[in-house]
Order: sequence, then structure tokens, then C-alpha cells
Amino acid sequence: GQQLNQSPQSMFIQEGEDVSMNCTSSSIFNTWLWYKQDPGEGPVLLIALYKAGELTSNGRLTAQFGITRKDSFLNISASIPSDVGIYFCAGPLIKAAGNKLTFGGGTRVLVKP
Amino acid sequence: ETGVTQTPRHLVMGMTNKKSLKCEQHLGHNAMYWYKQSAKKPLELMFVYSLEERVENNSVPSRFSPECPNSSHLFLHLHTLQPEDSALYLCAIPPGQGVSPLHFGNGTRLTVT
Repeated sequence: GQQLNQSPQSMFIQEGEDVSMNCTSSSIFNTWLWYKQDPGEGPVLLIALYKAGELTSNGRLTAQFGITRKDSFLNISASIPSDVGIYFCAGPLIKAAGNKLTFGGGTRVLVKP
Repeated sequence: ETGVTQTPRHLVMGMTNKKSLKCEQHLGHNAMYWYKQSAKKPLELMFVYSLEERVENNSVPSRFSPECPNSSHLFLHLHTLQPEDSALYLCAIPPGQGVSPLHFGNGTRLTVT
């Protein structure tokens, strides 16, 4: 089906480190979206990707639309404490019109104790 | 600020209660969505309203009853819920045409006791 698998499920960061996470599917997606959710809030869009191979940045965030259209990657450079939260990938359901998105299970980013 | 306002932010209800969740947007968009976010599960699409008509109902139990009286307001009426219905309920709108990323409200954290 059109499930999205995110890896890793959780990770610890230390300030200044670069962080990477990915999202894969057995199905092709034509759009990849990355969201971040802080505690007590709804997901907020970080980056939208619309073309295979596309590499897009938003500040310290960089995301890539995999060339196979079955995966996407999100990188955070020089992480800071406010980067903690849950990062979700999402894409539109192929057989559905409009904006009905399917979401991955999320990557929870935590600060190293 | 996504322009999507949800109330209340937190709700605790017994299994025999009847309550309603409210979502409000004044951005003039024609579609509104209800998503459910449970612990350790991906966001699940519940209902889609387009031009105030329900266009999708993803096998949601009848104890959840949506209502869209106008293009600015969306309700989710709750009755005889179960403890497993405890979750974060998110309202979302697609601000653009075609496949555009959804913008979410901050959700209502529901606890069923």
C-alpha cells in the first residue's frame, strides 16, 4: 500500500551536530512534504518537494526528493535545542484527488542528556 | 500562525458525555479536514469536507459525527466515546489549489475517561 516508513524512529542530538532522517515507501509519490510538530501544537510545514531529484533548503534544513520517487531525506545542519520535536514525512494518496495526505510514523528528535 | 483555530485545546470527557470540537478558519478556503493523531500511530485522515459537503469518511465509527455548517467552521460531535478514542484531533485546510500542503490547527487533546 501507500505506507510511509520513517527512519530512525527516534534520535538524540547534540548541539552543533548534523542530523539526517529518511522516509521510504514501496509506492511512488509525486509530492513529498516534511512537517515538524512541537509538543502541544499541530504539525507545521517545513519543506515541500514536487519533482524527482529536487533538493530544497529552508534555513538549516535541506530535503531531497529521491530520484526513484519512493523516498525522501531531511537533513538538519548544526542542530540547536529548538530542533527537538517530531518530524513527519507526508505525501498525497495517489488514487485520491486533492490533498488527502498519508503520513509516516515520525522521527522523534531529542536532546542528548 | 496557520489561520486555523481549534477549540477547546484540551477536553476530558466521560464515556457517556456528548461534546463537540470546533475548527475555524477565515482564509476563504473551501475544504476542511479532520485528522486523528494517536500515540505511536501515524496521523489518520477521518473526514474531508469540500464546499461544505462531506466527500470522504474513512470508516470512522458513528460515535464521531462531523458537521460543516459553512466554509469557515467545522465541528466534530462526540458521543459515547471509548478510552481508545483519546488522541489529538487536528483540523487542516489546503491553502492552495490542487495538491498543496495542508496547514494544521494546534489540535484538541481529547482524553476519554
